[in-house]
Amino acid sequence: DAGVTQSPTHLIKTRGQQVTLRCSPKSGHDTVSWYQQALGQGPQFIFQYYEEEERQRGNFPDRFSGHQFPNYSSELNVNALLLGDSALYLCASSLGGSTEAFFGQGTRLTVV
Amino acid sequence: KQEVTQIPAALSVPEGENLVLNCSFTDSAIYNLQWFRQDPGKGLTSLLLIQSSQREQTSGRLNASLDKSSGRSTLYIAASQPGDSATYLCAVSPMNRDDKIIFGKGTRLHILP
Repeated sequence: DAGVTQSPTHLIKTRGQQVTLRCSPKSGHDTVSWYQQALGQGPQFIFQYYEEEERQRGNFPDRFSGHQFPNYSSELNVNALLLGDSALYLCASSLGGSTEAFFGQGTRLTVV
Repeated sequence: KQEVTQIPAALSVPEGENLVLNCSFTDSAIYNLQWFRQDPGKGLTSLLLIQSSQREQTSGRLNASLDKSSGRSTLYIAASQPGDSATYLCAVSPMNRDDKIIFGKGTRLHILP
């Protein structure tokens, strides 16, 4: 079992650009959650996907959007990137949304 | 609104010592509590999960306790080693299964060789 995998591992983008991050959940898991972790902070919840729908959303602007595919993998899209979007983006998978969560290694996004 | 606080923010101890990391939460209506380890620039590794009905969980040199009524959890690390140096994060899952996991800001632990 490969666990939760995220791609890419690192990414550099320019202000105003758009970015797509990808996540494959742990085998058997049906729920994917995305988190943003700024330097020195704990992860902040962005949104959660279950059965291809956004089930719960944190306090993030509409520039942050996502998608879940029938195989439970997920994408996080961020439009009109700002310098403040620079962070580690973490994906977590679980079964049913609130059992033990398993995290990927994250995607380090740098906006310049 | 659930808030999770971890004290201390940073800790340095000599190798071989036992240590305790603290986590407190404001809403006792939790489903479970997890302790994670995070190495610099890396993702989260789950260390221990305590269900709301449990008092503690143990894995090797790690022991986590939960006192739901007082809103506290501790992570005890025995016989610390330099390889234990990392940030330790506490996270609570709410009783409402559709709600989000809330994290503390973490404790940065440095074990001195």
